[in-house]
This record gives sequence, structure tokens and C-alpha cells, in this order.
Amino acid sequence: AQSVTQLDSHVSVSEGTPVLLRCNYSSSYSPSLFWYVQHPNKGLQLLLKYTSAATLVKGINGFEAEFKKSETSFHLTKPSAHMSDAAEYFCVVSARNYGQNFVFGPGTRLSVLP
Amino acid sequence: DVKVTQSSRYLVKRTGEKVFLECVQDMDHENMFWYRQDPGLGLRLIYFSYDVKMKEKGDIPEGYSVSREKKERFSLILESASTNQTSMYLCATNIRAGYTFGSGTRLTVV
Repeated sequence: AQSVTQLDSHVSVSEGTPVLLRCNYSSSYSPSLFWYVQHPNKGLQLLLKYTSAATLVKGINGFEAEFKKSETSFHLTKPSAHMSDAAEYFCVVSARNYGQNFVFGPGTRLSVLP
Repeated sequence: DVKVTQSSRYLVKRTGEKVFLECVQDMDHENMFWYRQDPGLGLRLIYFSYDVKMKEKGDIPEGYSVSREKKERFSLILESASTNQTSMYLCATNIRAGYTFGSGTRLTVV
């Protein structure tokens, strides 16, 4: 079975400072991992995905995430936060041998202060 | 790009009403999903479908049913709406590269 833990329900950073959103997963099979972003009153948008290629994955809007198997982590980072980054972020795991169903983490709300 | 359209952005229904939430995708994908999203709980899978007339229960199917008569359309049905079904409902389709979500339907049951 798969599960996802997002360690912070809310993260607050100042504009221009680095962003770190933490995600740990468990999976019985080799996982695919995703980060989605949801802006207020909008649908979910795919930020980036890891599917067993390079462990450092670059996504849209300057975000990236590193898959660390030994730590079962897939933390999302960005060097410099922008006001438009304020949103809810979801870490998602899917076991590639398990089929098409994905398991979502509870989400982390990112606030960006001026 | 895949487009997933949910017919209503906001709905208000009374307790006991039968409610239909409609979802249409335009890319001939086989897999379609219904999730509900609640604060602090993330997204929870209600039902999914791998093909026409096929349906599988997700993690929280109680109180819901679904219909997939055509490949592009996946309907979520609340047989008798209750206040604890007040939530944001998200439809999605996917391939291995990831999901595409609709904009969501915010349902309030009063």
C-alpha cells in the first residue's frame, strides 16, 4: 500500500527567500511521485513528476524536487519565492506496478509575505 | 492539452435530494476519477472507472454512485444528499504521466 506524509500543513516565507515543502512517502512498489499545485478557486496543476529517470526533477515556475530513496522523501524546493507561488501544494505517490490510482498527501499551504 | 470540464462550479442542494455531478473529458482517456477535497484531508478517491460501464470503489464510496455510459462522460451521483457531503468535488482523467483535473464543483448541502 502507498501513503504520503506532508510534514507541514502551512509554510510561510518571505518573497525572494527559498521555499522547502517536505514530502515523505511509503510504497510497496517502485513509486512514481508528483507535485501538484492548486491556486485559490482553481483546479490542480501538475508541477513536476518523478518516474524513475533522473532523481532531480525540474518542473514549471522554477520548482524542483529530489527523489531520495534512502530517505523515502521527495521534497519540493524553489530558490526564490514569488508572490504568485502562494497556493496549496500536494505531494502524490503512485506505485507503477499497482495501476493507475494515485494517493494524495493532505496538502501544504504556502504563504508568501511581501 | 486534455480538457476536463465539470458542468457546475457551485451547487447548493437540500438534504435528501438526488444530486448529479457531471464530468466530460475530450481526449478519449480510459481512466476517469472522482475525488472530494476537504481541508486537512487532501483529496480522497470516491470512485474511478477504467472504461465504459466499468467502475471501481475508491476509499470513500459510501453515499455515492457513478455512471459511465460513454467514454468521455463520468457522472457522480449522490442518491440522497446529506450535510456531510458538503465538499469540493474534483473530476480527473489520467495517463501514467499524471492527472488532468477539472476546475471542481463546490457542493453545499443545506
